[in-house]
Amino acid sequence: DTAVSQTPKYLVTQMGNDKSIKCEQNLGHDTMYWYKQDSKKFLKIMFSYNNKELIINETVPNRFSPKSPDKAHLNLHINSLELGDSAVYFCASSQDRGLTYNEQFFGPGTRLTVL
Amino acid sequence: AQKVTQAQTEISVVEKEDVTLDCVYETRDTTYYLFWYKQPPSGELVFLIRRNSFDEQNEISGRYSWNFQKSTSSFNFTITASQVVDSAVYFCALSEAYSGAGSYQLTFGKGTKLSVIP
Repeated sequence: DTAVSQTPKYLVTQMGNDKSIKCEQNLGHDTMYWYKQDSKKFLKIMFSYNNKELIINETVPNRFSPKSPDKAHLNLHINSLELGDSAVYFCASSQDRGLTYNEQFFGPGTRLTVL
Repeated sequence: AQKVTQAQTEISVVEKEDVTLDCVYETRDTTYYLFWYKQPPSGELVFLIRRNSFDEQNEISGRYSWNFQKSTSSFNFTITASQVVDSAVYFCALSEAYSGAGSYQLTFGKGTKLSVIP
């Protein structure tokens, strides 16, 4: 049973294309996140959703648009892909219990390569 | 703003040696959480430990131990008797106090790549 799953695992595409990455969690969590890991392994938060509502939107180009159809899914759509978008994108989820923070569970990552 | 510094970019040790990975953090909050994650060559992120700012007890889990010192804003990670399977990138991360639903975001250090040589 995969707790947090992402599809696809690998994505190779041409500059200028539009692509989506899907994320699903079966943990019953109410908060989901997208992180980007660049070629130097640096991990940075992109978005956070709680109960389908956008909470955190870091400095990310508006070509990136997250969509949460329900609590268990958080998809990432990227328009007009650029070379610099090449990275590994991680989805994560956690159960937000107010003042008690619970660890985030990460998906396996999606390696995006823009040619 | 919160910040996590892992000054060691890469460390190589010979199997069975002990190794300590350093983590220094900055935060203005009095309530925060610290984490360590492991990223093996296969790429997934594996949660290792969570520590809140009010709990300064050191923790030991098998060959792993963590030393949390608020006075020096450090949360160091020691692997005893290292093994080849410990080879991975290790990330220290910080999350500040709760400020609303969904507001917990992790700020990661840049990671330390540990290579354990047989």
